[in-house]
Amino acid sequence: SAVISQKPSRDICQRGTSLTIQCQVDSQVTMMFWYRQQPGQSLTLIATANQGSEATYESGFVIDKFPISRPNLTFSTLTVSNMSPEDSSIYLCSVRTPTNIEAFFGQGTRLTVV
Amino acid sequence: EDKVVQSPLSLVVHEGDTVTLNCSYEVTNFRSLLWYKQEKKAPTFLFMLTSSGIEKKSGRLSSILDKKELSSILNITATQTGDSAIYLCAANDYKLSFGAGTTVTVRA
Repeated sequence: SAVISQKPSRDICQRGTSLTIQCQVDSQVTMMFWYRQQPGQSLTLIATANQGSEATYESGFVIDKFPISRPNLTFSTLTVSNMSPEDSSIYLCSVRTPTNIEAFFGQGTRLTVV
Repeated sequence: EDKVVQSPLSLVVHEGDTVTLNCSYEVTNFRSLLWYKQEKKAPTFLFMLTSSGIEKKSGRLSSILDKKELSSILNITATQTGDSAIYLCAANDYKLSFGAGTTVTVRA
């Protein structure tokens, strides 16, 4: 299994500002994934963060709103830009085992935009 | 488009009851079916299923996959209040597709 440290754990932000969420893994992983879970909803994949190349975004998510960095095989950041109350969600990073069968999650970031 | 459907969406039981949660999936390149328990923020891993008919068991929880029916069930026996949570299943191909979850409430 992988140990994933995600921070901040929670934040309350003003609309129009940006928040960067960090995810650190205790081992090298090829792909890291960023999810959003809006209140009362299930997890929705935002993007896949690949080391050395641009992130791959899912339908409905764009780089300008959710820029992602992946400087090395153990670290990634997700920025939520120009926030609005609709961005209030839990954001989660996730990694896969080398076999790409199991997936593990960070502790999550609970974001509230006021 | 990949699709994962869980049922029921929610249920309330009393301590000691047994619950059965259902998950059906349609994904293009199925690799595994994962079950998670979510109490606060981060889902915690319960089971990974790749082969049909082989039951995975952990304490009072068990799960089995039916690849012919494209479905899985998660059973919780002798439920306790600590089992109250959202249970998520996810079908894994290149990426994880999550169901909406089943909210289980166990009353004392």
